[in-house]
Amino acid sequence: GAVVSQHPSRVICKSGTSVKIECRSLDFQATTMFWYRQFPKKSLMLMATSNEGSKATYEQGVEKDKFLINHASLTLSTLTVTSAHPEDSSFYICSASGARATNEKLFFGSGTQLSVL
Amino acid sequence: SQKIEQNSEALNIQEGKTATLTCNYTNYSPAYLQWYRQDPGRGPVFLLLIRENEKEKRKERLKVTFDTTLKQSLFHITASQPADSATYLCALASSASKIIFGSGTRLSIRP
Repeated sequence: GAVVSQHPSRVICKSGTSVKIECRSLDFQATTMFWYRQFPKKSLMLMATSNEGSKATYEQGVEKDKFLINHASLTLSTLTVTSAHPEDSSFYICSASGARATNEKLFFGSGTQLSVL
Repeated sequence: SQKIEQNSEALNIQEGKTATLTCNYTNYSPAYLQWYRQDPGRGPVFLLLIRENEKEKRKERLKVTFDTTLKQSLFHITASQPADSATYLCALASSASKIIFGSGTRLSIRP
């Protein structure tokens, strides 16, 4: 099956710094990737849809200047949390729809636990 | 408004029994519904997909039903094992380009 690699798995940073999270499709090309945020014991909240070569589509209530998404190649999407604050602490997960580019089966990265001090 | 509800936040059952998880939705007309498993600190893993014109789908010890009249899907794990303990998420395709997830049910199988 398709493999999605997410890095780093855990990051601790000081308030005000920016953090970049990478999501790579290892054995397929992903024209679309999704970024989710998850709070403890809660479900995944879709933040944005990342499209290769074009601007990301953000969900309502998600600040695009706060959460910068870049999908510069068919195998890499990045999420940068700019000027992070403690309320940005969360579990961030990316997903891709696989080589067939259908959302009938999503492949997820292993997630990034962000802790902002 | 559109809603996906997984009725039980947590479910605790005895090993060997059948676990049944429920997913209800309102104000959606999904083309398909998916079930995922998520372990703590990990990303979800795809388990099964069932389409709107399918009543039931099976995969090994897993069975999923889909009732578009009731707007409900049931997810069964037969002969449950402690290794089945995890959070199970249902998900709907709300449009051609995005998947929306339910809040999940934490399943615990006690030996």
